[in-house]
Amino acid sequence: DAGVIQSPRHEVTEMGQEVTLRCKPISGHDYLFWYRQTMMRGLELLIYFNNNVPIDDSGMPEDRFSAKMPNASFSTLKIQPSEPRDSAVYFCASSGTGRETQYFGPGTRLLVL
Amino acid sequence: AQSVTQLGSHVSVSEGALVLLRCNYSSSVPPYLFWYVQYPNQGLQLLLKYTSAATLVKGINGFEAEFKKSETSFHLTKPSAHMSDAAEYFCAVRYNAGGTSYGKLTFGQGTILTVHP
Repeated sequence: DAGVIQSPRHEVTEMGQEVTLRCKPISGHDYLFWYRQTMMRGLELLIYFNNNVPIDDSGMPEDRFSAKMPNASFSTLKIQPSEPRDSAVYFCASSGTGRETQYFGPGTRLLVL
Repeated sequence: AQSVTQLGSHVSVSEGALVLLRCNYSSSVPPYLFWYVQYPNQGLQLLLKYTSAATLVKGINGFEAEFKKSETSFHLTKPSAHMSDAAEYFCAVRYNAGGTSYGKLTFGQGTILTVHP
């Protein structure tokens, strides 16, 4: 099993640009989570999906952030426009129904200049 | 509401010494509890989990944790530290009631473990 795959691994962009982060969950998993990790706020859940449907997006910081899951094997997290305070490591994780463990991807390190 | 508190943002031990990382939780329903480890520039990896079976849980790399309901604690221990244990450790609690919060993990702030030769 390839595990959770995220791309890109690193992203450097300028303020105001659109950023798209991508995630491929583990095959067969029907829950997908997006997290953000910063020194100041630690690990925060942004949004999660079940069977491709967004269930809870209460952690999404503002309207500049959006997430989609068009099919069971792909999800995107988009920031438009990006701001320096969005600089963080963004993790995607997936889990299967009835299985307690979330499996994390390697993360995308985002730097907004 | 649920929360996790990790006591000590940094813990330093000598190689071969006991490792003790503290975690206390609050949850309105019986919790599932987890310890994850994060090595530099990597994602989080599950060390062990408690899911209402045995209260003493053994994980990978020689780590174990004991669920103590009376103390609302889930401390992580390892009898003898190794240099390769140096990493950041996160305790997490999973919400097990219904609604949109079902299955969500709430993480502690993390504890950075340093191991000295």
